Amino acid sequence: TAGITQAPTSQILAAGRSMTLRCTQDMRHNAMYWYRQDLGLGLRLIHYSNTAGTTGKGEVPDGYSVSRANTDDFPLTLASAVPSQTSVYFCASSEGTGAPHTFGSGTRLTVV
Amino acid sequence: GESVGLHLPTLSVQEGDNSIINCAYSNSASDYFIWYKQESGKGPQFIIDIRSNMDKRQGQRVTVLLNKTVKHLSLQIAATQPGDSAVYFCAENIPNFNKFYFGSGTKLNVKP
Repeated sequence: TAGITQAPTSQILAAGRSMTLRCTQDMRHNAMYWYRQDLGLGLRLIHYSNTAGTTGKGEVPDGYSVSRANTDDFPLTLASAVPSQTSVYFCASSEGTGAPHTFGSGTRLTVV
Repeated sequence: GESVGLHLPTLSVQEGDNSIINCAYSNSASDYFIWYKQESGKGPQFIIDIRSNMDKRQGQRVTVLLNKTVKHLSLQIAATQPGDSAVYFCAENIPNFNKFYFGSGTKLNVKP
C-alpha cells in the first residue's frame, strides 16, 4: 500500500541520548514535514522540506534537525533528547506546498 | 468546538444522529481549509476540504461549511456511525506561508 512509513513505532529514550526517527514515502511527493502532537494541542510543525535538497524550520524546531538527501526519505534527529521532547511524532508528505497532507502512523517517543 | 488546552472537547452523539463539529480559525487571510479524522493510535486522515471562495462543500455523508465573516468552519456528519468515533481537527492554510496550522481537535464519541 502506497503511503508513508515511520520507524520505530515507539521508543523509550534516556535523556541526553541521540535518536533518529525515520520516514519514507513512496508517492514521489515533493514536500515533507515533521510534526509533534501533544495532548490538547494541535499538530505543531517542527521542520519541513519543500523539495529534495532543501529544508526549513517550522514552529518548534529547537533540539531537532532534518535532512532531505532524496525525494523519499526525511529523517528527524534529536541530538540530545530532553523530557520535553516526549511526544508523538508524525511525518507527512504532500504533492506540493499548500496541498493536503498524507500522514504516517506516528512514532511515540518517551524521553526519561 | 476546538480550543487550546490540556483536554480535548468531546461531542457525544447517538448512532444514527447527525454530528456537527466546529472550528474557529485564526487568520482572515487563510484561503484553504481541511478537515482531518484521527483514530486512536493512527495518523490523521483527510476527510474533506474547502477553498475560501466557497461556503459549502459536500462529500459522502460529510458536509463542510465555511463562514468567513466570523472565521468559523464546521463539519457535519450525517447518520453518525460507530466507525466515526475519532478526533476531528481542522487545518488552515495561509497564502504565501504554504504551511498548515492545525486546531487542537474535538473528540467524537458515538454511542450505540
